[in-house]
Amino acid sequence: EVQLVESGGDLVQPGGSLRLSCAVSGFTFSDFWMDWVRQAPGEGLEWVANINQDGSKKYYVDSVKGRFTVSRDNAKNSVYLQINSLRAEDTAVYYCSRQLELWGQGTKVTVSS
Amino acid sequence: DIQMTQSPSSLSASVGDRVTITCRTSQGIRNDLAWYQQKPGKAPERLIYAASSLVSGVPSRFSGSGSGTEFTLTISSLQPEDFATYSCLQWNSYPRTFGQGTKVEIK
Repeated sequence: EVQLVESGGDLVQPGGSLRLSCAVSGFTFSDFWMDWVRQAPGEGLEWVANINQDGSKKYYVDSVKGRFTVSRDNAKNSVYLQINSLRAEDTAVYYCSRQLELWGQGTKVTVSS
Repeated sequence: DIQMTQSPSSLSASVGDRVTITCRTSQGIRNDLAWYQQKPGKAPERLIYAASSLVSGVPSRFSGSGSGTEFTLTISSLQPEDFATYSCLQWNSYPRTFGQGTKVEIK
């Protein structure tokens, strides 16, 4: 069974940092691009970033460039999203996704003082 | 960035109704479009990829059409489990962009 399980979401103060993790199972992780998508409360979906199979290519939405970093560890079947300099507008549920085909259940990030 | 204009933003319909949702893009994207269904508190689920290809296991009452800049998701006969929010996504270029979503509610 294919599974994607996010973790690492938390309540953090503005300016803080978090590292989100997504552990996958049930498929050959190293064969796929992986994406991160977020959804602010009551809002639509926003694509955030993705990373190719060997980690050599990464793309970001402009609003997170320089603050977010996507990475992966194929030996651990995991993809990560390091989020720095958090702002209130980063408050959202963050989903990891296998090529925007299959999705995890999400992890909640709340930025508030 | 490619802008996505999805309409309507919400609609009320009855079980058995035919429902159509439209997504227009600010530039041509060939058929690089997918449709998702999302229920409250749950992750999105992909219904359609490549504009018109049905994901395995998705009921045949769902269909997609279009290419270039105009795309449509149709539910031929709305069922109780179809009340949800539907979103389109373009994956033709970066950044990937979603439509604003269409909430399908019970009339």
